[in-house]
Amino acid sequence: DQQVKQNSPSLSVQEGRISILNCDYTNSMFDYFLWYKKYPAEGPTFLISISSIKDKNEDGRFTVFLNKSAKHLSLHIVPSQPGDSAVYFCAASPMYSGGGADGLTFGKGTHLIIQP
Amino acid sequence: SQTIHQWPATLVQPVGSPLSLECTVEGTSNPNLYWYRQAAGRGLQLLFYSVGIGQISSEVPQNLSASRPQDRQFILSSKKLLLSDSGFYLCAWSGGRRRLADTQYFGPGTRLTVL
Repeated sequence: DQQVKQNSPSLSVQEGRISILNCDYTNSMFDYFLWYKKYPAEGPTFLISISSIKDKNEDGRFTVFLNKSAKHLSLHIVPSQPGDSAVYFCAASPMYSGGGADGLTFGKGTHLIIQP
Repeated sequence: SQTIHQWPATLVQPVGSPLSLECTVEGTSNPNLYWYRQAAGRGLQLLFYSVGIGQISSEVPQNLSASRPQDRQFILSSKKLLLSDSGFYLCAWSGGRRRLADTQYFGPGTRLTVL
């Protein structure tokens, strides 16, 4: 059972426009969420995170929105740039671990393609 | 600043051969350490995590094992590789906040191909 779902395997957006990447989760214990960007043959790079006490977090061109009732989060990139072309992973975790450091549960990723 | 190293970067091994992948972290002490695997066309799957020297938790039963002989060193091993072990292996670290989730930072990864 996939607890973190990214239903769009790929997304194509024109340069300068807004990119919106979506993520849904099913585990109600998740209350800490992260977005990572990954280029081929490289490790994921952390972009932005949000905890469930907030519904929005912004960092430069990147904004993450969290809708707890819908168990949905989204990453907005404005404006989109060619260097944003990469695979974006949504990840989730409980904020408070039961006894150790929980790993992250990842979605399968969305390949964002920025077209000139 | 903190950096995380993994080696080798790529590895091609025959079925049945042993495996040893190494990960080291610099610039922090007492980190939480993780091993993930990304199989072709799939997301990242947590394999092992460690909150301290000699403390290993396994998330997925398999023929892989992990060890943490030093505070900032994490090793992924296998005695006999299977074809299904092929994938992209990623090591990650986070701050040593034992019960509180924290951002995880990833290394460059190791591409393992088992033939």
